[in-house]
Amino acid sequence: DGGITQSPKYLFRKEGQNVTLSCEQNLNHDAMYWYRQDPGQGLRLIYYSQIVNDFQKGDIAEGYSVSREKKESFPLTVTSAQKNPTAFYLCASRKGNTEAFFGQGTRLTVV
Amino acid sequence: QKEVEQNSGPLSVPEGAIASLNCTYSDRGSQSFFWYRQYSGKSPELIMSIYSNGDKEDGRFTAQLNKASQYVSLLIRDSQPSDSATYLCAVRLSNDYKLSFGAGTTVTVRA
Repeated sequence: DGGITQSPKYLFRKEGQNVTLSCEQNLNHDAMYWYRQDPGQGLRLIYYSQIVNDFQKGDIAEGYSVSREKKESFPLTVTSAQKNPTAFYLCASRKGNTEAFFGQGTRLTVV
Repeated sequence: QKEVEQNSGPLSVPEGAIASLNCTYSDRGSQSFFWYRQYSGKSPELIMSIYSNGDKEDGRFTAQLNKASQYVSLLIRDSQPSDSATYLCAVRLSNDYKLSFGAGTTVTVRA
């Protein structure tokens, strides 16, 4: 089955710790995106990538980093510099001018 | 000015009524417009995509696009309790793969 897989579904981070969220797609999509969603809010763009080895900052990139070494994979690292990381993180991919498809999300909580 | 803005909610409508959702965008060159539905705790799912001026109908849903006014709307006819969700407007900005979302409008359909 084609789709986007995010893992883990739930993640707990200690203060000062870096954590990496996984996003893998087998849809042969070129573009991939990371969004953050806080309770009752819309989606805010963290990073996006159009092709391998290239990515752009979105609206709230501070405290986050990404890589795009393979077309299928776009992992997001939440660094210790992100002071308020508790949120629902969504990965999406799309091809050309079509709609974006979303993974099931990762819920990150700071403990 | 935000790139994508939606009318503030929440919106409460009786079962069987029409729900009207509005979205404006700032980039006049934007070419692709999408409406997503998101149930609480879940990832967004596509309802409609629209690329040219006018109306596009799919079942009980109608999307309307007016590029001159930089306005896109979604009408939900014969609203059902299962339509209760948050509706997100998304716009692909011109000359870029950036896909920006509005803050969402929460719709509640009263039985």
